[in-house]
Amino acid sequence: QKEVEQNSGPLSVPEGAIASLNCTYSDRVSQSFFWYRQYSGKSPELIMSIYSNGDKEDGRFTAQLNKASQYVSLLIRDSQPSDSATYLCAASASNFGNEKLTFGTGTRLTIIP
Amino acid sequence: DTAVSQTPKYLVTQMGNDKSIKCEQNLGHDTMYWYKQDSKKFLKIMFSYNNKELIINETVPNRFSPKSPDKAHLNLHINSLELGDSAVYFCASSQELDGGNEQFFGPGTRLTVL
Repeated sequence: QKEVEQNSGPLSVPEGAIASLNCTYSDRVSQSFFWYRQYSGKSPELIMSIYSNGDKEDGRFTAQLNKASQYVSLLIRDSQPSDSATYLCAASASNFGNEKLTFGTGTRLTIIP
Repeated sequence: DTAVSQTPKYLVTQMGNDKSIKCEQNLGHDTMYWYKQDSKKFLKIMFSYNNKELIINETVPNRFSPKSPDKAHLNLHINSLELGDSAVYFCASSQELDGGNEQFFGPGTRLTVL
């Protein structure tokens, strides 16, 4: 059973629209959640972290966390072609401060000009 | 530039060989990690070191042996390479801040075993 699940996509969104990426996790002790963006052939790049229920906004990105539903999402407003990438959701349960990140399989996002 | 760096970027080798990948971070972080990303792009943790001490050791064949000479370096040695070892290996580092522990990844080493 996968611990972090994402829709693999591909998800196609017109330029300027809102892209919505979703993630569910099965381990209730997970405390920290992260969204990474990975361009083809590149390394994962951290774009958002969220630790408490609710919304967290950073520029065009908003992360949403609902621990009761074990659900994390990422909204990208005013989508740009440069947002086209694979988005990885990750969850962790702290182990004496050393985070074991469990990743989902990623959602491939394509922004259509 | 402050970053996580890895060498080599590409590694092509024959089955049965032994190879090493090196990782260095100048971010001042205490914890370093090795991840493997397979052909289906699934990213999975292999090892974690905190201040040179092994903290996380996932179910990885014992042909894989990490070594951390100091907290800024974490190397990965692989013995008797197999075809299934072909993947991209990422090093990462982190420092716990404000209840969270954000990990930053190196550029990756693409290993191809022939």
